[in-house]
Amino acid sequence: AQSVTQLGSHVSVSEGALVLLRCNYSSSVPPYLFWYVQYPNQGLQLLLKYTTGATLVKGINGFEAEFKKSETSFHLTKPSAHMSDAAEYFCAVSDRYGGGSNYKLTFGKGTLLTVNP
Amino acid sequence: ETGVTQTPRHLVMGMTNKKSLKCEQHLGHNAMYWYKQSAKKPLELMFVYNFKEQTENNSVPSRFSPECPNSSHLFLHLHTLQPEDSALYLCASSQRQGPTGNTIYFGEGSWLTVV
Repeated sequence: AQSVTQLGSHVSVSEGALVLLRCNYSSSVPPYLFWYVQYPNQGLQLLLKYTTGATLVKGINGFEAEFKKSETSFHLTKPSAHMSDAAEYFCAVSDRYGGGSNYKLTFGKGTLLTVNP
Repeated sequence: ETGVTQTPRHLVMGMTNKKSLKCEQHLGHNAMYWYKQSAKKPLELMFVYNFKEQTENNSVPSRFSPECPNSSHLFLHLHTLQPEDSALYLCASSQRQGPTGNTIYFGEGSWLTVV
């Protein structure tokens, strides 16, 4: 089964600074990778996803992530943090199960991003 | 508004009560999910329904009973819960269960407190 490790349960940056949220995965097959964001008192919203093709993926709100197979990483970045980016961010990998064509998302533990004025 | 609506948003129940969580998706999807989100733990997949058929039961205790009458509706029936079951329960849907294009859309969740 695939797994996801998010390094750092809490990241704090200043407004305007670079945001870097780390995600490493383990997978025996080419992975499908996702980043979701959860704002307070809300469900999860898709930021971006990697399936195939270009390894640099652009998402909403100025975020992007780069798939690096050699490093088994899918780190999330944003050049300049905004106060509205404060939220919890989850990395996930699509995981096949049951021997058929069923897939499910396996999530990391999440990283809470705080943005200081 | 994600197209996935959960009710109620907040629920407080005693350990002997029976209650249900409801989820409705307006996206025309064929797969629906229940996830449990507890503090300091990864999201846990509980159940998956694909075209109304349950395809995953992730070793969930029988005090949680899912029901999927059609592709648009999903219920989670709760009975004789324990305080450790207090959590945010997230419903989600996707067009299908394939690995690509499998963007999962989440509802806003139902906060459950068991007293």
